[in-house]
Amino acid sequence: DTAVSQTPKYLVTQMGNDKSIKCEQNLGHDTMYWYKQDSKKFLKIMFSYNNKELIINETVPNRFSPKSPDKAHLNLHINSLELGDSAVYFCASSLISGANVLTFGAGSRLTVL
Amino acid sequence: GQSLEQPSEVTAVEGAIVQINCTYQTSGFYGLSWYQQHDGGAPTFLSYNGLDGLEETGRFSSFLSRSDSYGYLLLQELQMKDSASYFCAVSAGNMLTFGGGTRLMVKP
Repeated sequence: DTAVSQTPKYLVTQMGNDKSIKCEQNLGHDTMYWYKQDSKKFLKIMFSYNNKELIINETVPNRFSPKSPDKAHLNLHINSLELGDSAVYFCASSLISGANVLTFGAGSRLTVL
Repeated sequence: GQSLEQPSEVTAVEGAIVQINCTYQTSGFYGLSWYQQHDGGAPTFLSYNGLDGLEETGRFSSFLSRSDSYGYLLLQELQMKDSASYFCAVSAGNMLTFGGGTRLMVKP
């Protein structure tokens, strides 16, 4: 059983399109995150939700909209995709907010052409 | 905000010992974590230091000095499978902020 699963694993799309990435965790964790890893492997937090409530929004363009229907799911919708959005997006979860141990999903590689 | 500095790349031979350093500047510091990421894979948790001193987990050890805002990850008896990127991360507030990562190449 995969602890944190995200789909799709690969996304190739044209500039201007809208796309979504879904994430689910079966660990019973309260907190979920979206991180963006660029081509230089820099891993930057985008959003964090604790029990469906947004607690971190790190100056991400409002083209990015996270949604957490319940504490086991955190989805990411991206509108009007730009070339600079190409990256690997990692979903992660932790037992509580601010924890040091994060469990990451396998990542979703987004390529914008 | 938070900032972390670690070397971008380190090379070592199989069987050797390597130390990856991390210096940080942050407010509201709780602790320093280390993560490993193989190419194409997800970051996975290795160790955490909340207090000064050394934490040992098998071949890996991690050290923290809060007064120096400094920590390191020590990998002993290096194996080829240790070739990966290693990230230090600071806990501050409600989130974990990662350094830029150190790419470790282990050669035979």
